[in-house]
Amino acid sequence: DVKVTQSSRYLVKRTGEKVFLECVQDMDHENMFWYRQDPGLGLRLIYFSYDVKMKEKGDIPEGYSVSREKKERFSLILESASTNQTSMYLCASRPTGIRDEQYFGPGTRLTVT
Amino acid sequence: LAKTTQPISMDSYEGQEVNITCSHNNIATNDYITWYQQFPSQGPRFIIQGYKTKVTNEVASLFIPADRKSSTLSLPRVSLSDTAVYYCLVGDLGSSNTGKLIFGQGTTLQVKP
Repeated sequence: DVKVTQSSRYLVKRTGEKVFLECVQDMDHENMFWYRQDPGLGLRLIYFSYDVKMKEKGDIPEGYSVSREKKERFSLILESASTNQTSMYLCASRPTGIRDEQYFGPGTRLTVT
Repeated sequence: LAKTTQPISMDSYEGQEVNITCSHNNIATNDYITWYQQFPSQGPRFIIQGYKTKVTNEVASLFIPADRKSSTLSLPRVSLSDTAVYYCLVGDLGSSNTGKLIFGQGTTLQVKP
């Protein structure tokens, strides 16, 4: 089975802190994604990466950056956390090909106080 | 990117067939239609994907009319465990790249005993 793991299920940070969210997948997938999920808004794409060291902005990249130094790992960085970044963060991966089956991690619930 | 519209919520009873319709009037020629299911505190899970006509797997069926401006996810004989949020997505998967997909608000299905 494909496994996507995220470094923490719950995280509490203070305003202004730098926050790292790590995601690791074990299926050699080329594509990886970071979403945030908020009540009433569904999932919104923050950034995605289709190869090592490659990244593209999603719909809401402001306040975030990403890093993909290795194929299996995709990191989301909040340079200076703010309270409006309190959310559920979901990582996903998928192979390149005609069938888009994204595999999601369990999510990280981040609270910024 | 094609935008999708689906009902915010639906109720059903155990053993009934449930049909959730999604509108995507601006679907492009290369776009595929994909449905995901999400349980509370979990990441979304792929259910089914199609391009046209009908697709069936062990979980659901997907009906897509000839004009492809809508699609219907059909869940046969639902049980309480089918209570979840269902997302309809439309996007171009691309031949070698990721193909960005947009998650909408989804349809919250409540199955009652």
